[in-house]
This record gives sequence, structure tokens and C-alpha cells, in this order.
Amino acid sequence: EIVLTQSPGTLSLSPGERATLSCRASQSVSSSYLAWYQQKPGQAPRLLIHGASSRATGIPDRFSGSGSGTDFTLTISRLEPEDFAVYYCQQYGTSPRYSFGQGTKLEMK
Amino acid sequence: QVQLVESGGGVVQPGRSLRLSCAASGFSFSRYAMHWVRQVPGKGLQWMAVVSYYGDDKFYADSVKGRFTISRDNSKDTLYLQMNTLRAEDTAVYNCARSLRLYGSGSHLDYWGQGTLVTVSS
Repeated sequence: EIVLTQSPGTLSLSPGERATLSCRASQSVSSSYLAWYQQKPGQAPRLLIHGASSRATGIPDRFSGSGSGTDFTLTISRLEPEDFAVYYCQQYGTSPRYSFGQGTKLEMK
Repeated sequence: QVQLVESGGGVVQPGRSLRLSCAASGFSFSRYAMHWVRQVPGKGLQWMAVVSYYGDDKFYADSVKGRFTISRDNSKDTLYLQMNTLRAEDTAVYNCARSLRLYGSGSHLDYWGQGTLVTVSS
């Protein structure tokens, strides 16, 4: 099983700042089958990024994903108030054994 | 619009069973693989199980293999999770989600339900 480790655990930033969230895999993620999700309190997770760098439908272009192999990054270029939430990465490789990272909480400073 | 609505959660004693349902609407249910993902309140996401389009392929997380069974009824656009021999550590919100593929390209989870809470307690 691929273990995903996200860092930092909590990120404190202000609106307008740039956020960089990291997701590191214990082994290479096949063909960049990595997704990012956003979850707000009391809500279901929402898909942001799939295939490491493809934005899901309706996701603003301030969200971008990058990386390959074992190191992946979610970047939010200019934080809006609605972006403060918990973010999870997930791998969905060449076998139906999915795993999530433990999450990064993005909080308003 | 795509909707996934879970039901069947509640309080159950350790060792007992419970069946969750996920009613789908707004899309061609039989064209999607379906998943269960759980979340202990205040904690992270844990993938549980996936079933293929017609229900013939099923895969589970090691933590629930042999106790939980995922199934679907495409005639009713409904996904199920039969949970047996429940333990306190199974207490969580259970979400269903869909993916275009069983694994690999297209198997990211693009829509999720709001979840149903299962509490295992005596």
C-alpha cells in the first residue's frame, strides 16, 4: 500500500497570500494518478485536481497541481476567504488500492 | 445534477450488523464505479471499498475485508455497504463516491455524498 504524507499539518496564512501544500508518497505513484480534494466543515470533500495537475470542472485557476513520482504539490496562488479548509491528497494507481494523505488544514491567520 | 444520498446510519451495538445505502441520481449509475469512504469525526479520510460497474469486481481496504461487503443494484441506482461484526473503531461518517474507472486513469472521485453517521457503542 502506498502511504501518503502531507505537510505541513496546519498552514496559517492570510487572504491574498500564496499557499503551497505538499504530498509525499512512500513509493512512486503510477502515471501521476494523484488527486487533491478540499473539505469544509460539515461538507463532503470536493475534487479539485486529478492526474496531479488537471483542474476539475468549475475549479478556479488559482488552484494548481504539480509533481510526479513521489512528490506532489497543490498551490493556491492568491487565497480567497472561501479557500480556508482541509485539503487531502489521494492516489489511485494501477490497482484498486486507494489511499489518502492525513490532510493539511489551511487556516486564516 | 449529480446527487448521491446516503442513508441507514445510526447507533448500533458492537458485534451487530448494519446496511448502508447510497441512492444515486442525475447520471447513468451503471457507467460508474462506486466507492465507500469513511471519516472518523475530526479525523481524515479512509477509503473502504469499490465495486465495478456491474458489481462483478469488488475490492476492500484490509481493515474491513471479510467484515464489510459492497454491492450495487443498477436497476435501483443504489449502492450498498453491508457491515457485519461492527467494532467501536468503525464509528465514522460513511460517504459514497463515484469514479469513471475502477482504477488508473479516470478513477479519481469526482462526486461525493454528504455521508451518514454510524456510531458503534454499547
